[in-house]
Amino acid sequence: AAGVIQSPRHLIKEKRETATLKCYPIPRHDTVYWYQQGPGQDPQFLISFYEKMQSDKGSIPDRFSAQQFSDYHSELNMSSLELGDSALYFCASSFKISAGLVMNTEAFFGQGTRLTVV
Amino acid sequence: AQTVTQSQPEMSVQEAETVTLSCTYDTSESDYYLFWYKQPPSRQMILVIRQEAYKQQNATENRFSVNFQKAAKSFSLKISDSQLGDAAMYFCAFKREYGNKLVFGAGTILRVKS
Repeated sequence: AAGVIQSPRHLIKEKRETATLKCYPIPRHDTVYWYQQGPGQDPQFLISFYEKMQSDKGSIPDRFSAQQFSDYHSELNMSSLELGDSALYFCASSFKISAGLVMNTEAFFGQGTRLTVV
Repeated sequence: AQTVTQSQPEMSVQEAETVTLSCTYDTSESDYYLFWYKQPPSRQMILVIRQEAYKQQNATENRFSVNFQKAAKSFSLKISDSQLGDAAMYFCAFKREYGNKLVFGAGTILRVKS
């Protein structure tokens, strides 16, 4: 079965550079979530999109932005990178609405993008 | 705001034995979902089991089952017949019924001894 695809899997950037992480949700999933997991920590919610509109916002720095495109893939753009941004970034997707019914299924996670800022 | 607490930073179990991981949460919501996710060394987040708060029956998935106590706001995971492949970090997570985000606990590292 198709899963959530994230690219790249690994990324090394220098301080003050920018990075773009991509996420391709499971086909027919209408909701995308981004999470940040620092070393030894639990995942922290950053932002989510439902039907290409931002649906919720968590602890996402102003230096970060994200969007969901017409094909439902999503990109997380990170600027002015800091050492503390080094983390594993997860994308997840789920159904919210299917055939007019609120499904609100569980989120399925991609394999993550490991960002290292040096 | 919702909070999820996992009071056991680390647990160990002998292969083929049973282990229970604890999770408590705090919410004023009446309808919500609870999950257990497994994160092996590969760091992939894998859904283990899901429980809807409106269901009184405890969820079961093969060797994995939960003890959901809504009044006590407790949601423990029982792993029966533990296998070496069960060794991982386990996260308990909460989601409001119409919410978007998962709120995770700090995680419990499970070690399986052969």
